[in-house]
Amino acid sequence: KAGVTQTPRYLIKTRGQQVTLSCSPISGHRSVSWYQQTPGQGLQFLFEYFSETQRNKGNFPGRFSGRQFSNSRSEMNVSTLELGDSALYLCASGPGTGADGEQFFGPGTRLTVL
Amino acid sequence: GQQVMQIPQYQHVQEGEDFTTYCNSSTTLSNIQWYKQRPGGHPVFLIQLVKSGEVKKQKRLTFQFGEAKKNSSLHITATQTTDVGTYFCAGRASGTYKYIFGTGTRLKVLA
Repeated sequence: KAGVTQTPRYLIKTRGQQVTLSCSPISGHRSVSWYQQTPGQGLQFLFEYFSETQRNKGNFPGRFSGRQFSNSRSEMNVSTLELGDSALYLCASGPGTGADGEQFFGPGTRLTVL
Repeated sequence: GQQVMQIPQYQHVQEGEDFTTYCNSSTTLSNIQWYKQRPGGHPVFLIQLVKSGEVKKQKRLTFQFGEAKKNSSLHITATQTTDVGTYFCAGRASGTYKYIFGTGTRLKVLA
């Protein structure tokens, strides 16, 4: 089985722009979670989707949004980029309907905001 | 809100020494997971603990979940250079679908 894929792998944007990141989960997985990883703040939960529904949201401003499609692929969007949004954005997929069970992480998208 | 603290932040050990990282949650957890992230890589799942007082072993790694389900530990016996990386715990509170990650412990093993 192919692993979790994320595109693009690297992205450079300037302040004020917006960006869309994509995540394709492992085939058959319906849960997708997004995390932001920075050296200072560690791994922070953004949101979790299951069957196109957002089940949980982290403490991020409304500039961060996401969605999940019927094929379980997910996108996250960040509008009006700020310098502090520079981070590694990771998505993780899970096989279960609940929240227990292994999360399989993708390689991440490295976002740099100039 | 729920917070998960992890100590120590860094640990340097000589190869062959033991290593332990501790994880403490501000709230009672439904379950806790442990991940390892190698430099430049992404987190890789190690194990999940669900029951109060649970202890699980994987070769040289021993994982414990506290009786109150608010703390956990990972112990590595006789570290090897392949153990290098950052170890994260991730706790989920009951009734939620989100995992709050600990701050991580970066392990360096000196040969």
